[in-house]
Amino acid sequence: GENVEQHPSTLSVQEGDSAVIKCTYSDSASNYFPWYKQELGKRPQLIIDIRSNVGEKKDQRIAVTLNKTAKHFSLHITETQPEDSAVYFCAASPGGRVQGAQKLVFGQGTRLTINP
Amino acid sequence: DAGITQSPRYKITETGRQVTLMCHQTWSHSYMFWYRQDLGHGLRLIYYSAAADITDKGEVPDGYVVSRSKTENFPLTLESATRSQTSVYFCASSESQGANEQYFGPGTRLTVT
Repeated sequence: GENVEQHPSTLSVQEGDSAVIKCTYSDSASNYFPWYKQELGKRPQLIIDIRSNVGEKKDQRIAVTLNKTAKHFSLHITETQPEDSAVYFCAASPGGRVQGAQKLVFGQGTRLTINP
Repeated sequence: DAGITQSPRYKITETGRQVTLMCHQTWSHSYMFWYRQDLGHGLRLIYYSAAADITDKGEVPDGYVVSRSKTENFPLTLESATRSQTSVYFCASSESQGANEQYFGPGTRLTVT
């Protein structure tokens, strides 16, 4: 089955700097890679996702890159702000029209702290 | 987000007791999921369901039972609670047609004493 590794487990950056979180996955059949943000005491919420037919996707200050050959994908946050402080989770899914295609396997999470 | 709810939000129970966590969604999503969240482990899938009366095991199903008689409800039962099942439990739902965003409920914090 799929295994997702996420690094680093904690990350502290100065406000205005960039933050990068990296994930690797094991199943080459996976083709959907979402990122979730979880604020303290709240539910996880999707912030960006990418499918395997795309190498990069941007949404304002957030971008995700995918390298299918190396089986890794990364989250990039530019011009960080205090409200970016949260736990971020990457995930991978086999996708497609197969049983269990909707399943997500999550990484262990990265606690991001933005220092003012 | 109000479309998926969980109850209770907090629960304290004793070892050996049966406890049921409820999940309800109003979007008519086909897929529903149960995760547990523990420090250092992220979110781990317990069970999921592709439709009413169709359920399957996830990564950590032992000690849990699910059912799905109606599309909108997906209860999770701990038949005989153990301290290792102390955790935060999240329910989620998503549309069909391949992998899509999962929408999470607010979570249930369960403590087994």
